[in-house]
Amino acid sequence: GQNIDQPTEMTATEGAIVQINCTYQTSGFNGLFWYQQHAGEAPTFLSYNVLDGLEEKGRFSSFLSRSKGYSYLLLKELQMKDSASYLCARADFNKFYFGSGTKLNVKP
Amino acid sequence: KAGVTQTPRYLIKTRGQQVTLSCSPISGHRSVSWYQQTPGQGLQFLFEYFSETQRNKGNFPGRFSGRQFSNSRSEMNVSTLELGDSALYLCASSEGQGQWETQYFGPGTRLLVL
Repeated sequence: GQNIDQPTEMTATEGAIVQINCTYQTSGFNGLFWYQQHAGEAPTFLSYNVLDGLEEKGRFSSFLSRSKGYSYLLLKELQMKDSASYLCARADFNKFYFGSGTKLNVKP
Repeated sequence: KAGVTQTPRYLIKTRGQQVTLSCSPISGHRSVSWYQQTPGQGLQFLFEYFSETQRNKGNFPGRFSGRQFSNSRSEMNVSTLELGDSALYLCASSEGQGQWETQYFGPGTRLLVL
């Protein structure tokens, strides 16, 4: 594999904020992507980072530190529909390496 | 634009058989990538095709092969099926012009090998 690590499962409360971390091997890195996958469905694109820093898209933000091989996805104002798996993917030119995904359970 | 489509959506095969899966990318997209998703291994990259040529390849045995046609549609073939090949096979398309681009996934083909 490509040593992409993310927590297996997390639980958070509706309305709260949750941060999902991802660490990856830094060699050959081009970009870091986040996808959301609901059970039984295909992954859908959320965000990507190429440069260090924070990218904000509404309730979702993604952060990248290339020197540390570290990224996180921040979800604010959690809603029940955010219950899904969140996949971190490292892009090495046109090859994507996915982490195993973090299953997020949002509780009322 | 229509999204990525995959056929068939579900498939049951027995060990030793071969299977062909099809993927039609988003109109205008020239890159098609294939992935295998299993509960234990997650999403694993199989290969990527661009302009009818395999541009990238993951670490899967030679039983897994693919091709791309001039209209960018792609097929994936698995020969001599094994029980462990049971998985969700996803294809994703992108424009293919840059070094990395957002990939858009199809609904997948769920393969069960008995």
